[in-house]
Amino acid sequence: GAVVSQHPSWVICKSGTSVKIECRSLDFQATTMFWYRQFPKQSLMLMATSNEGSKATYEQGVEKDKFLINHASLTLSTLTVTSAHPEDSSFYICSARKLRQGSNSPLHFGNGTRLTVT
Amino acid sequence: AQSVAQPEDQVNVAEGNPLTVKCTYSVSGNPYLFWYVQYPNRGLQFLLKYITGDNLVKGSYGFEAEFNKSQTSFHLKKPSALVSDSALYFCAVRDPNHYKLSFGAGTTVTVRA
Repeated sequence: GAVVSQHPSWVICKSGTSVKIECRSLDFQATTMFWYRQFPKQSLMLMATSNEGSKATYEQGVEKDKFLINHASLTLSTLTVTSAHPEDSSFYICSARKLRQGSNSPLHFGNGTRLTVT
Repeated sequence: AQSVAQPEDQVNVAEGNPLTVKCTYSVSGNPYLFWYVQYPNRGLQFLLKYITGDNLVKGSYGFEAEFNKSQTSFHLKKPSALVSDSALYFCAVRDPNHYKLSFGAGTTVTVRA
């Protein structure tokens, strides 16, 4: 159990367009989802924390108007990269925390989305 | 503030030899510590965690980790490495009062046949 599905797994878009990435918890309800960004051979950088039914909390330095996060249900969170530019090219990974899961439990990660902006 | 350090960017071992991936942490209070593995273009897979109890924690795929409070370390170990263990390994720490994970920079493990 505890499968997190991320879609698409890769996407290529033109500069100036917007891209939406979906993160779904397939077999559990997720009150909280986290969005990370990873540059090649680097660690994961937390971008924002998304709670179902409320506004996302963004980490310092992350533009909330550029990276729109919506968590409309207990099984779906979306990240929209608006007006994408080549520097937004990266690997984006979501993770989810189960409803009523304690803080000592591991998070469940999606397989990531490779975004390339041309 | 919480943080983890993985002092080695790369670890290379021969198949069948022991594998160790180092991790040290900094957190106020008692830490929750995790190890994850990432294969190319994939998300992270959970390997093991330390919350409390025995300092030696056993996890998936034959991995184990030893929690050492005095040295603030949580090194990942495998007695006999396999070529298929070649991947990127992340140590992570969580403050018990928060759900955010802080990741180390990652260590690339290469196991040669």
